[in-house]
Amino acid sequence: DAKTTQPNSMESNEEEPVHLPCNHSTISGTDYIHWYRQLPSQGPEYVIHGLTSNVNNRMASLAIAEDRKSSTLILHRATLRDAAVYYCILRDWGNAGNMLTFGGGTRLMVKP
Amino acid sequence: EAQVTQNPRYLITVTGKKLTVTCSQNMNHEYMSWYRQDPGLGLRQIYYSMNVEVTDKGDVPEGYKVSRKEKRNFPLILESPSPNQTSLYFCASSLSRDAYEQYFGPGTRLTVT
Repeated sequence: DAKTTQPNSMESNEEEPVHLPCNHSTISGTDYIHWYRQLPSQGPEYVIHGLTSNVNNRMASLAIAEDRKSSTLILHRATLRDAAVYYCILRDWGNAGNMLTFGGGTRLMVKP
Repeated sequence: EAQVTQNPRYLITVTGKKLTVTCSQNMNHEYMSWYRQDPGLGLRQIYYSMNVEVTDKGDVPEGYKVSRKEKRNFPLILESPSPNQTSLYFCASSLSRDAYEQYFGPGTRLTVT
């Protein structure tokens, strides 16, 4: 499976935008980019996913580089509730088990 | 409310004493799976099920069993727990194997002494 690289931690101020980077230089043409987050003491939660084009939903935006070797999750206005570990995952649709391979993720801290 | 529930949330047990962690979803999802989360190792898949009576091994199945007799339930069974199975366990479900969004339960923290 292709791997992802994320910073261990990032800090943001409340109400400001946050850009969470992810490098995936060995991504294959069929890999989707998924983002999940894990709030303290909770299970992971789906955030967004994309293949080639930028994507928006009610939680966040996903910007994908033209060569697909990197992507950025954008939280437009961070709130205290957004403090979590954010995981960038490459989803191989050929994987029979629909397994999500979670790496270390980025711990986002939001300051009031 | 659409959700995945797990019971118990916390469990301390002794080596060798059989235990079952239950998982139930109310979304009529076909696909369910179990993960364990350990510091420094991320989440690793234990078993998955694509539908009733269809189960298969994930990355770390040793020491675990599962069953899928009904669509909504997917229990995780530890026949003879050992200390190396001390971990945080998550059940997940999705509409189908190909669905892009997986829903996770709140987790079960298991300690085996």
